[in-house]
Amino acid sequence: DQQVKQNSPSLSVQEGRISILNCDYTNSMFDYFLWYKKYPAEGPTFLISISSIKDKNEDGRFTVFLNKSAKHLSLHIVPSQPGDSAVYFCAAIVIGAQKLVFGQGTRLTINP
Amino acid sequence: DAMVIQNPRYQVTQFGKPVTLSCSQTLNHNVMYWYQQKSSQAPKLLFHYYDKDFNNEADTPDNFQSRRPNTSFCFLDIRSPGLGDAAMYLCATSSKSEKLQETQYFGPGTRLLVL
Repeated sequence: DQQVKQNSPSLSVQEGRISILNCDYTNSMFDYFLWYKKYPAEGPTFLISISSIKDKNEDGRFTVFLNKSAKHLSLHIVPSQPGDSAVYFCAAIVIGAQKLVFGQGTRLTINP
Repeated sequence: DAMVIQNPRYQVTQFGKPVTLSCSQTLNHNVMYWYQQKSSQAPKLLFHYYDKDFNNEADTPDNFQSRRPNTSFCFLDIRSPGLGDAAMYLCATSSKSEKLQETQYFGPGTRLLVL
């Protein structure tokens, strides 16, 4: 039972354009969501998060949107840069449960 | 800089030969986790420590054990590695006291190769 799903295994975007990565979840108990970025041979790096009491959180070029009714969140990167090429994992957690549930990841490639 | 450190970054072992992976943290977080990640898959939680309390995931094989001798260190012991245990092993930490911030911070991982 995959509670967090990233349906696009890969995404290719031109440098300078907007990258939109999507994530869906099924467990309505999740109340905190995170995005991690992972380069090959390295551990995931925390990127941005959002609490279920908000619908948007912004940090520089990165914005995460949460639509609770649709159980959907998205990560927007604008403008996209070559260094953004990596695998992006969406993750969710029930606060206090300590168990982070990851999606399968989306490989983002930024083309010059 | 406060961080999560994993040693070694690459570990080669033989089939059936016990191996230990180590993790240390300078964040003073009270929760430490071990994940297994295989190629093109999501990280899979094996177990976690909340302070000294050990929490095993139901589907974690008995072959995997963990020790946390103090707040800073946590070890993953694989008693008899099989070929299927070859993977990236990720250590992570979080602070339970930050109620609205359940962010987990990951180390760089140890890639285990079983020959």
